[in-house]
Amino acid sequence: QSALTQPASVSGSPGQSITISCTGTSSDVGGYVYVSWYQQHPGKAPKLVIYEVSNRPSGVSDRFSGSKSGNTASLTISGLQAEDEADYYCSSYTSISTYVFGTGTKVTVL
Amino acid sequence: EVQLVESGGGLVQPGGSLRLSCAASGFSFSNYAMYWVRQAPGKGLEFVSTISSSGGSTYYANSVKGRFTISRDNSKNTLYLQMGSLRTEDMSVYYCARGSHGGFDIWGQGAMVTVSS
Repeated sequence: QSALTQPASVSGSPGQSITISCTGTSSDVGGYVYVSWYQQHPGKAPKLVIYEVSNRPSGVSDRFSGSKSGNTASLTISGLQAEDEADYYCSSYTSISTYVFGTGTKVTVL
Repeated sequence: EVQLVESGGGLVQPGGSLRLSCAASGFSFSNYAMYWVRQAPGKGLEFVSTISSSGGSTYYANSVKGRFTISRDNSKNTLYLQMGSLRTEDMSVYYCARGSHGGFDIWGQGAMVTVSS
């Protein structure tokens, strides 16, 4: 199972919006609603920020939103803040009952 | 407090074995599928294995199939990962995670596994 494709880095100024893409296939992203996104700060465990494509867990800022079109999912962070600087990973359920993660995107707040 | 705590990490020689444990607390462990996810130093996240809530179904990444075994003891609220025939490429931080709505909503702090002679 090949990793989902994400851009290596995305940057934006405080207050701006950024979008991270996550491209897979019809056997993962395109075939299931079980697409999720994780935020990981250096030296810390990942934190779930979006599940089932577009749902936010309790306690996650509404500045985080998710969507999907075909084989590509997207995470948008609006009103970018310094604390959003982190690595972000997408994940999808797959047709062989496993999960696959994205390659990861480093978000830099300028 | 909902919590997952891994233990059992350490240094092992190539070809050796190691068992990781993940102690769950603050939730009904037996109601949830559980997962192991790893992260090599400076690299991304990689799915390792999953086990159903009852323990009746298990799945593995191709990279560990036949070498790793996932199991759970619902009476002890504990998840395990038995790792064998370890390779240098298995060196990673291993996280246990709780499954919910197709994602991983609770993560442990991670256990470092170093494979080196």
